[in-house]
Amino acid sequence: AQSVTQPDIHITVSEGASLELRCNYSYGATPYLFWYVQSPGQGLQLLLKYFSGDTLVQGIKGFEAEFKRSQSSFNLRKPSVHWSDAAEYFCAVASRNTGNQFYFGTGTSLTVIP
Amino acid sequence: KAGVTQTPRYLIKTRGQQVTLSCSPISGHRSVSWYQQTPGQGLQFLFEYFSETQRNKGNFPGRFSGRQFSNSRSEMNVSTLELGDSALYLCASSWGQGGETFGSGTRLTVV
Repeated sequence: AQSVTQPDIHITVSEGASLELRCNYSYGATPYLFWYVQSPGQGLQLLLKYFSGDTLVQGIKGFEAEFKRSQSSFNLRKPSVHWSDAAEYFCAVASRNTGNQFYFGTGTSLTVIP
Repeated sequence: KAGVTQTPRYLIKTRGQQVTLSCSPISGHRSVSWYQQTPGQGLQFLFEYFSETQRNKGNFPGRFSGRQFSNSRSEMNVSTLELGDSALYLCASSWGQGGETFGSGTRLTVV
């Protein structure tokens, strides 16, 4: 069965510090991989996605993620966090063959302290 | 260009009633998906429509249904509402499999 695990429910970082959010997935084959961000009361915004090729993916707002096949992981990173990055972050996977059916992790809530 | 538009933004219904939610995708997008977001279950896939046909379906009871029109607009219907149906319902559209664009959602409260 497909599943996405985000081990950290909540993370607190200081502004300017680096950030890494973890994501592990269980899937029959290498899926498409995504990271989304959600601000309170809002929909989800796509940060970045991995389909194939270079395993280090650059996204918007200075985020990047690295796909590691051997670890079934797709961790999200940012070198220097800004207060506006405080939000909920979701990792998601989708099959390469069956259209747009996304499986989401439970999310990681990020708090940024000054 | 306009994003994904969901109406209404907020809705309060009584148990046993039915509700219809609407989603207008980004122009040119033919795939529309629906998700339910709750604090307890997180984000769960309901169904996906592509060119007016249901292409994928999640694990929800038959009370949850949807449809897509020729202009790609989609509606989702929930019949015989239960308290547990209270959630944020998110619609997403995409042109292919490039990553979906989400709307701001409809907050449904069942009382």
